[in-house]
Order: sequence, then C-alpha cells, then structure tokens
Amino acid sequence: QKEVEQDPGPLSVPEGAIVSLNCTYSNSAFQYFMWYRQYSRKGPELLMYTYSSGNKEDGRFTAQVDKSSKYISLFIRDSQPSDSATYLCAMSARGAQKLVFGQGTRLTINP
Amino acid sequence: DTAVSQTPKYLVTQMGNDKSIKCEQNLGHDTMYWYKQDSKKFLKIMFSYNNKELIINETVPNRFSPKSPDKAHLNLHINSLELGDSAVYFCASSQNPASLYNSPLHFGNGTRLTVT
Repeated sequence: QKEVEQDPGPLSVPEGAIVSLNCTYSNSAFQYFMWYRQYSRKGPELLMYTYSSGNKEDGRFTAQVDKSSKYISLFIRDSQPSDSATYLCAMSARGAQKLVFGQGTRLTINP
Repeated sequence: DTAVSQTPKYLVTQMGNDKSIKCEQNLGHDTMYWYKQDSKKFLKIMFSYNNKELIINETVPNRFSPKSPDKAHLNLHINSLELGDSAVYFCASSQNPASLYNSPLHFGNGTRLTVT
C-alpha cells in the first residue's frame, strides 16, 4: 500500500461545475498537506497548503483536511477551462525534509 | 527570469549510454532536489542537497549520481542507462527543507528522458 493514495482519473466536468479532488494517506505523522497543480509539459506548482485539520479557502479553491479519517480534499468552485491540469496532493511529517506525493488526478474542464 | 531551469528538455538515448542532466536555480534557495515522474504521473524524490551537502538519498540505483558544485546547481549523471529509466526528471528547489508547507518546492519544467 502506498503512503498516499489518489485516484488518477481522468476526471472530466463541464465549465462552472464544482470539482472535488481527494487523497487518503496511511502515515499518521503527516501534519502538512499541500496541493500542487501541474499543467501539461510543465513542472508542478504549489496551489494551496494547510496545516493539521481544518479548512482553508483561497478564491475558488478550498482545501480540507480530516486527520481522523486520514483524508484530504481540494474543492474547485466555478471551474474554468484554465483549471484543466493534473492535481497532486503532497504531504510531510513535522521536520521531515521531503514531500510524499499522490499519483495526481488529471482534470479536464470542458467549455 | 526562469527560477529553476534544467537542460536538456528532451533526451533520447540508447540503452547502455551515460548521460547528464543539469539544473540551476536563481532563487537563492539552499536546498535542491531531483524527482522522478513515471508514465503514471507518480512523482518520487530521488535526492536532496542542502548547501551542497547530500541530505536525502532514496533507494535509487547507484548508476544515478548527483553532483552539486554550488548551492545554485545540482546535476544528475546516469550511467549505463536502462529502458526503465525512461521518465520525466524534475529538478526543484526550496528555501527550507524542513518546512516544505510554507517554503514550497519550485520545480523546473522537467527533462523527458527516453531510453531506446
């Protein structure tokens, strides 16, 4: 079993839809949770990060962490074609010097 | 203006050859990394250097040898290339390796290695 599990998709939704992306993890030491976005032929870029449990909102994006269930989510409201990309969750333990990434979910927003 | 740049962008070579990938960052970061992304988009760390010192060395065949001449550069040399080495190799940097949530990784755009 991988430390971080993420459904690779692909996921295709119409423009304007609410998108939900999720990851589960097995290591209870993980405390820092991030979402990276990767456009085709580009490197990943940090989209959002959260610490421990709770929600964080940034514009159309909301990140949620449920440590009791070892489950994290990224919600995209009013999705746009420009949101089409691969979304990778990533996490690390306190003081750890590396990130563990999920496999990434490929998302397409159709105009 | 490019923050993390790696060369070459594409690399096609035959099995058994030796090749190198170069990476440079102009962000003033102390830490640099090599990640491998396979065909299923799974991104896995290979090496990490902090101020030219190796701090992470994952289970990687010793045919892969990183070299950091200074903290702005991290190169990757691969000996005796195998078919399974085909992947996209990403260089990345960060300011502080111990707080990657607020000292995020900045990735280059990858080197697409194809071994035939």
